[in-house]
Amino acid sequence: SQKIEQNSEALNIQEGKTATLTCNYTNYSPAYLQWYRQDPGRGPVFLLLIRENEKEKRKERLKVTFDTTLKQSLFHITASQPADSATYLCALDIHQGGKLIFGQGTELSVKP
Amino acid sequence: DTAVSQTPKYLVTQMGNDKSIKCEQNLGHDTMYWYKQDSKKFLKIMFSYNNKELIINETVPNRFSPKSPDKAHLNLHINSLELGDSAVYFCASSQPPGQGTGELFFGEGSRLTVL
Repeated sequence: SQKIEQNSEALNIQEGKTATLTCNYTNYSPAYLQWYRQDPGRGPVFLLLIRENEKEKRKERLKVTFDTTLKQSLFHITASQPADSATYLCALDIHQGGKLIFGQGTELSVKP
Repeated sequence: DTAVSQTPKYLVTQMGNDKSIKCEQNLGHDTMYWYKQDSKKFLKIMFSYNNKELIINETVPNRFSPKSPDKAHLNLHINSLELGDSAVYFCASSQPPGQGTGELFFGEGSRLTVL
């Protein structure tokens, strides 16, 4: 069956450290993968997109990698801050058909 | 200037009632969506419309009926509400599939509680 799995446990890290979140998928061949941030009581907000032919994408303190052989994406936040605390969702678009499949999210908590 | 706005933000109602959630976007996008986020935080697509035409209809009970009067609006009507319909419903918009980045712009969500 097709699955998308993110770190099931909440991730707690110290301010200034690098947070690394994992998104694994099975039985999909995504054209691209997206990462979103969701704060409590708010809608998800788009962060980054990486295409199947890209290995790495960066935006300010954020970095995403995409390994289509391992069927895995890693999402890194460097020099993390308490304001980075949120739930992070990965999403796959399988055939550029406008249908994004979301993982269940990983809750990140950055302690001062 | 809210890009994707939904109303109401909260909705509490009894089983068996009918309710509607409205969504409007001012981004000029052609494509709009309804997603459901359950208590375990899974976001699942329900419907997608492109320029008022239904293009994605997941296995959603036919008690749920989306309506798109124009490409800036996508409303969701739910008949005969059941306890299991309790969730947060998100409206979203994007450029059409295959165009742009596929990035979704979400509304703030409408929390529906069925008693």
